[in-house]
Amino acid sequence: EPEVTQTPSHQVTQMGQEVILRCVPISNHLYFYWYRQILGQKVEFLVSFYNNEISEKSEIFDDQFSVERPDGSNFTLKIRSTKLEDSAMYFCASSLGGGNTGELFFGEGSRLTVL
Amino acid sequence: SQQGEEDPQALSIQEGENATMNCSYKTSINNLQWYRQNSGRGLVHLILIRSNEREKHSGRLRVTLDTSKKSSSLLITASRAADTASYFCATLTTGANSKLTFGKGITLSVRP
Repeated sequence: EPEVTQTPSHQVTQMGQEVILRCVPISNHLYFYWYRQILGQKVEFLVSFYNNEISEKSEIFDDQFSVERPDGSNFTLKIRSTKLEDSAMYFCASSLGGGNTGELFFGEGSRLTVL
Repeated sequence: SQQGEEDPQALSIQEGENATMNCSYKTSINNLQWYRQNSGRGLVHLILIRSNEREKHSGRLRVTLDTSKKSSSLLITASRAADTASYFCATLTTGANSKLTFGKGITLSVRP
């Protein structure tokens, strides 16, 4: 069964360092998302991406964050100059037709720990 | 309260019992979805109900939607220990900038 894969599963970084989280969405999906979940808290929307551009982003997704689809398969989230409060589980998701036509398929997440 | 707020926050039941989880939301929605998350794992889609639907079934799952009350419920019948997980409702709002917004989740524990 096709699945969304994320790497790394866990990354530890020093405050101020740059981090790139990688995702391989399901191959025929057109919509891509990043969400994050701080330990024990709700799942928060960061950004959605369609047709090679950001279609929606939240207040959390400030200039510190960027997304890219560098080739036909990868979808990356870059966090510049990480802060302690960026420590969270980051989930990538993809969907065929966007949330209004069906489900989102989530990866297992990348746990980011900022020291 | 926030969009997609579930209650109770935690639920503990005996295996074989039914589990009912509720979700309330504030704005108009296109659809409402329920997801499950095992501890430390990703979210798995369970069921989607559109704004023009009132009830939907999938296996042991039954979801209802009352748009007049802006609420939904998820019923898991004949619960099993393997149903132990966190359950989230997520709403897709209407409009040009729609996005799927998750609630805080309900922790369900099913005792064997």
